[in-house]
Amino acid sequence: DGGITQSPKYLFRKEGQNVTLSCEQNLNHDAMYWYRQDPGQGLRLIYYSQIVNDFQKGDIAEGYSVSREKKESFPLTVTSAQKNPTAFYLCASRAASGANTEAFFGQGTRLTVV
Amino acid sequence: DQQVKQNSPSLSVQEGRISILNCDYTNSMFDYFLWYKKYPAEGPTFLISISSIKDKNEDGRFTVFLNKSAKHLSLHIVPSQPGDSAVYFCAALNNDYKLSFGAGTTVTVRA
Repeated sequence: DGGITQSPKYLFRKEGQNVTLSCEQNLNHDAMYWYRQDPGQGLRLIYYSQIVNDFQKGDIAEGYSVSREKKESFPLTVTSAQKNPTAFYLCASRAASGANTEAFFGQGTRLTVV
Repeated sequence: DQQVKQNSPSLSVQEGRISILNCDYTNSMFDYFLWYKKYPAEGPTFLISISSIKDKNEDGRFTVFLNKSAKHLSLHIVPSQPGDSAVYFCAALNNDYKLSFGAGTTVTVRA
């Protein structure tokens, strides 16, 4: 059945290491998004992509990188330059062509850097 | 610069009564607004939305009101039920596909 999948659900990394979070969708959605949630901070936009091979920085892109080589995949790399990487990361997708549509979210990845 | 603001971090309401959640925005280019519900350690789920050409949209117990001149929207939940206890996020979309969220309001429904 269709949906958006984030893996893994929990991820532990040592400080200074890069780590890549996976996000895959089989909804045939054009747009994909990455958000970060910290306690009391809501959902802050990291990167978003309207279409394959194109993406834009969100509000807190520093220390992160993305790629969009395939329509169904939008991996997020948390680099060693990200000062506070421990957070709950959420990926979303949306059928962006045409009318306004809602975004569907994955179940999130909890990243802990020790 | 937060363009979508939810200024009430929490709301407590008695079961059966109305819950009113508020959201303000600063970007006049936003043309579509959404409300999401979220439980801890899960992804948000979509509740209801409204286009900027409307001032009201209703779906069962949920109604969203939009006041464009005030750059304000609200979500009404009536009657409130214990299962409504969650964090509610307001979100706004502009024509370059950027989807921005507020900080959320934690709703607690008391029995």
